Amino acid sequence: DVKVTQSSRYLVKRTGEKVFLECVQDMDHENMFWYRQDPGLGLRLIYFSYDVKMKEKGDIPEGYSVSREKKERFSLILESASTNQTSMYLCASSLINNQPQHFGDGTRLSIL
Amino acid sequence: QKEVEQDPGPLSVPEGAIVSLNCTYSNSAFQYFMWYRQYSRKGPELLMYTYSSGNKEDGRFTAQVDKSSKYISLFIRDSQPSDSATYLCAMRGGGSQGNLIFGKGTKLSVKP
Repeated sequence: DVKVTQSSRYLVKRTGEKVFLECVQDMDHENMFWYRQDPGLGLRLIYFSYDVKMKEKGDIPEGYSVSREKKERFSLILESASTNQTSMYLCASSLINNQPQHFGDGTRLSIL
Repeated sequence: QKEVEQDPGPLSVPEGAIVSLNCTYSNSAFQYFMWYRQYSRKGPELLMYTYSSGNKEDGRFTAQVDKSSKYISLFIRDSQPSDSATYLCAMRGGGSQGNLIFGKGTKLSVKP
């Protein structure tokens, strides 16, 4: 089975802090994704990566950046956290483009 | 018109009922269709994955795609309280055509 592991289940940070969310997958998948999930808005794509050191903007990249130095690891960075970034953050991976995505259990991030 | 429409529910049924969950979409280029189940405070879990039109069955679950009507369905037979979750549909085009587009999810409650 595919395993996507997100480093923290719950995280509380303060406004203005730089926040790192880590994600690791163990199935040698090419593609990795970061989403946020908010009530009434569903899943929204922040950034994705089709290869090591590659990154592409999703639908809502503002205020975020990503890093993919190794194939198995994809990090989401909140450069200067703000309260409107309080959300559930979900990482996903897929083998190639047409294969389904597999999700981690999410990080519930609160910015105070 | 939104690309993917999904009735948010909530949908409440008695144990043993047949459940029908549906999504409509507007983009005729969509070819890959998925259903995810998401329990509270967990990440989405892939349930069904289908390509193009037709039916696919897996145990108590049946996924149906009607591309001519731009309509997909997930049927759950003999529903159980453990089926209580939010169900998300997702779809994408073929090749390198874009990322997954998700419905906002239908919340299902199966009462014992």
